[in-house]
Amino acid sequence: GEQVEQRPPHLSVREGDSAVITCTYTDPNSYYFFWYKQEPGASLQLLMKVFSSTEINEGQGFTVLLNKKDKRLSLNLTAAHPGDSAAYFCAASSNTDKVVFGTGTRLQVSP
Amino acid sequence: DMKVTQMPRYLIKRMGENVLLECGQDMSHETMYWYRQDPGLGLQLIYISYDVDSNSEGDIPKGYRVSRKKREHFSLILDSAKTNQTSVYFCASSLDRAGAETLYFGSGTRLTVL
Repeated sequence: GEQVEQRPPHLSVREGDSAVITCTYTDPNSYYFFWYKQEPGASLQLLMKVFSSTEINEGQGFTVLLNKKDKRLSLNLTAAHPGDSAAYFCAASSNTDKVVFGTGTRLQVSP
Repeated sequence: DMKVTQMPRYLIKRMGENVLLECGQDMSHETMYWYRQDPGLGLQLIYISYDVDSNSEGDIPKGYRVSRKKREHFSLILDSAKTNQTSVYFCASSLDRAGAETLYFGSGTRLTVL
C-alpha cells in the first residue's frame, strides 16, 4: 500500500526565512494530495488540496509543488512568520477510501 | 457552521477499564473516521465508517471497536484499555469516501491509560 515519508520532523527558522517541508510517496496511483496544519492543542485543518494534474499551487504565503516523476510533494512557506508555527502533515490518496498521512513536521518560527 | 465535535477532550483511565470516545458532526457527512496520533507516527487509521452500521477496519483496529447508529454520531470503544492505548484520538468526517475529499477533524481526545 501507499507509504508517505515526510521530512524533516522538526524545523526551526527565523521570521522572514523560508521553510520547506517535503514528502515522498510510493504509490504511482496516488492522485490527490493534501497539506494539513495543526496548531498547538488544536485539530488538523486543511491548508491546501492538490491534484496530480497540477504541479504548482499557491496559497497565502506558501507554495505547494508536486513532482510526479519523483513522487515528491513539497510545501514552501516563502516568508515564515510566528503564526506559521504549527505541525504540518502531508497526505496522499488514490481514488479509494484511504488517505495516508506523513509523520508530520513541527515548525517553529522565532521572531 | 461545519463542525466535528469530540467528547471528552481529556480522559484518564486505569488499565482494564472500558473507554468510550464520542464524536458528532453536523454536516451530514456519510463517512467518518477514527485516528490515533502518536509522536513520530503521524495519524494512524483505526476504523472507517461509510454510513450507519457500515464500518470497516483501518490499519490498527486491534483493541478497538466502533459503533455508528446515527449518521451524525460515531463512537470509539476500548474494551479493557491498555497502557499502550495512551494517545491522542481524532475523529474526522468527509462528505463521501476519501480520495479527493477533505477530511474535517475534531479537536481530539487525549487519553491516558494508567
